[in-house]
Amino acid sequence: QSALTQPASVSGSPGQSITISCTGTSNDVGDYKYVSWYQQHPGKAPKLIIFDVSNRPSGVSNRFSGSKSGNTASLTISGLQAEDEADYYCSSYSSSTTRVLFGGGTKLAVL
Amino acid sequence: EVQLVESGGGLVQPGRSLRLSCAASGFTFDNYAMHWVRQAPGKGLEWVSSISWNSKNIVYADSVKGRFTISRDNAKNSLFLQMNSLRPEATAFYYCVKDNAGHGLSSFTFDYWGRGSLVIVSS
Repeated sequence: QSALTQPASVSGSPGQSITISCTGTSNDVGDYKYVSWYQQHPGKAPKLIIFDVSNRPSGVSNRFSGSKSGNTASLTISGLQAEDEADYYCSSYSSSTTRVLFGGGTKLAVL
Repeated sequence: EVQLVESGGGLVQPGRSLRLSCAASGFTFDNYAMHWVRQAPGKGLEWVSSISWNSKNIVYADSVKGRFTISRDNAKNSLFLQMNSLRPEATAFYYCVKDNAGHGLSSFTFDYWGRGSLVIVSS
């Protein structure tokens, strides 16, 4: 079982919006701004798409947005495109001895 | 352009050791904390270890503590992971990862990843 909880899969049609949740605790997601999201296509290394809860690195589409409420962070992808089909992982800094927690990953299917 | 190139992976028997290296380029290496993250084939991401810019702050996942050692050589823009007493569950792609923060800080946010080095622990 992963430390942060994500849905195993989500799906949407091109043009639609989807949201992926990431639930932790007050020792990680709930207490720190260091919540990030990573996109991973098959056979590729992960790519940072959101950092510090809601910031996008340079070059990342503004269709990707992040937010947080309490112990749950969320990634929203608007205007779904076929190229968005990938695995998405959340991560958070943690006050536990395990300094960085990842979610189990969410497979996004663009139908 | 930031580049992180891992090397040193391969097939190793349980109980043996392996040393991973990561050659960094395209950024001021000694300004940034660095990390190792691993991913078992077909599985999710797992943070392994982190080292501050000056090697004074080092942390490990409980699953590797006491068996893995992270180190860096700022003069050679290189990051290392010494892995001892390897277990089959250590089989994974090991990614060398750059911290996002810079200026001697560490945000444990991973903005650049290498392609990964595959370690297979099997008899």
